[in-house]
Amino acid sequence: NAGVTQTPKFQVLKTGQSMTLQCAQDMNHNSMYWYRQDPGMGLRLIYYSASEGTTDKGEVPNGYNVSRLNKREFSLRLESAAPSQTSVYFCASSEGGSNEKLFFGSGTQLSVL
Amino acid sequence: RKEVEQDPGPFNVPEGATVAFNCTYSNSASQSFFWYRQDCRKEPKLLMSVYSSGNEDGRFTAQLNRASQYISLLIRDSKLSDSATYLCVVRSGGSYIPTFGRGTSLIVHP
Repeated sequence: NAGVTQTPKFQVLKTGQSMTLQCAQDMNHNSMYWYRQDPGMGLRLIYYSASEGTTDKGEVPNGYNVSRLNKREFSLRLESAAPSQTSVYFCASSEGGSNEKLFFGSGTQLSVL
Repeated sequence: RKEVEQDPGPFNVPEGATVAFNCTYSNSASQSFFWYRQDCRKEPKLLMSVYSSGNEDGRFTAQLNRASQYISLLIRDSKLSDSATYLCVVRSGGSYIPTFGRGTSLIVHP
């Protein structure tokens, strides 16, 4: 049982390049989330999807787009990467509704030069 | 005021010590509370939920104080392996968004 799988684990981009972070969960969860974690800042929500077919902005959505491709997959896209987007990105999922326990992927270390 | 606040620490304690962390939240409508553990460069993992009546899981005890709007985590008989960052998570009623505190760093030394 893989849980939440994120790819890639590491990525280096040049300013202005684009890329998509992939996330898939095999727990039949309804809700999925993308967080970024910066030193001293804790985890900040970028976007979330409460259920298949819906997406909403979180605390720090600027510079990002998301797609909830199906119930399993939730991708995060950087259209034009900036050095300020250097961070560790975590995807998470939960059953949704009243059960909010989050299960995280192993993270993506992204550096934008 | 940040919605969820934690003392970043680090809390530096010897093996066998008892240590407690608090986490304050600003939204009185908050309904769900959790403690997560995060090891260096790893993903957060659920440590325990926090129930209104308080709950215990082995050496770990979590409590909720709604009147003062804080939750606490007590670790008894600290082990070296307890060294990690402990994240407080709060969800407000009607919201799908779990909000994280910045975490409290614990270092347990021999």
